[in-house]
Amino acid sequence: NAGVTQTPKFQVLKTGQSMTLQCAQDMNHEYMSWYRQDPGMGLRLIHYSVGAGITDQGEVPNGYNVSRSTTEDFPLRLLSAAPSQTSVYFCASRLGDANEQFFGPGTRLTVL
Amino acid sequence: RKEVEQDPGPFNVPEGATVAFNCTYSNSASQSFFWYRQDCRKEPKLLMSVYSSGNEDGRFTAQLNRASQYISLLIRDSKLSDSATYLCVVNWNDMRFGAGTRLTVKP
Repeated sequence: NAGVTQTPKFQVLKTGQSMTLQCAQDMNHEYMSWYRQDPGMGLRLIHYSVGAGITDQGEVPNGYNVSRSTTEDFPLRLLSAAPSQTSVYFCASRLGDANEQFFGPGTRLTVL
Repeated sequence: RKEVEQDPGPFNVPEGATVAFNCTYSNSASQSFFWYRQDCRKEPKLLMSVYSSGNEDGRFTAQLNRASQYISLLIRDSKLSDSATYLCVVNWNDMRFGAGTRLTVKP
């Protein structure tokens, strides 16, 4: 199993550009989540999904969209990048609500 | 008040020391609790789950006090390899992370 994979690992955007961060898992997990991690702030939940076709907002959803058309994939779209979105983004998945959460290696995003 | 609060540290301890981390959470409806470890520029990984009766895994002991909404992690006989950031995680609606406590174990 590859576990949770994320692409790209690094990305630099200009303000106003859009892009999609890819996330995939091969463990047949129902739950998938996107977090951003900023210094001193810990991980903050952006969006999450409890199964294909179901998504919901987390703590900091503004400026981001998600979709879950398959169990395996959970892409995160930045609609119009802003410098405040400079962060490290982690995708995670888990089998059930209270199970261990597995993280991807992260995407380091810089918005100029 | 933050949903999950931790002492940010840093904790700098010598090898062999015992160190304890504390965490408080705001939502009394929280149902499951975890400690994760995160190495520098890496993804978080599960260290251990925290059970109501307390639990131990080798040199690591976790405690939960639901009445006080408090979780702790005790590391005995610290090793250099224990140097990392330790994240307290509480689950309601989804996993909520503390900002982490940084530990450096020195020779």
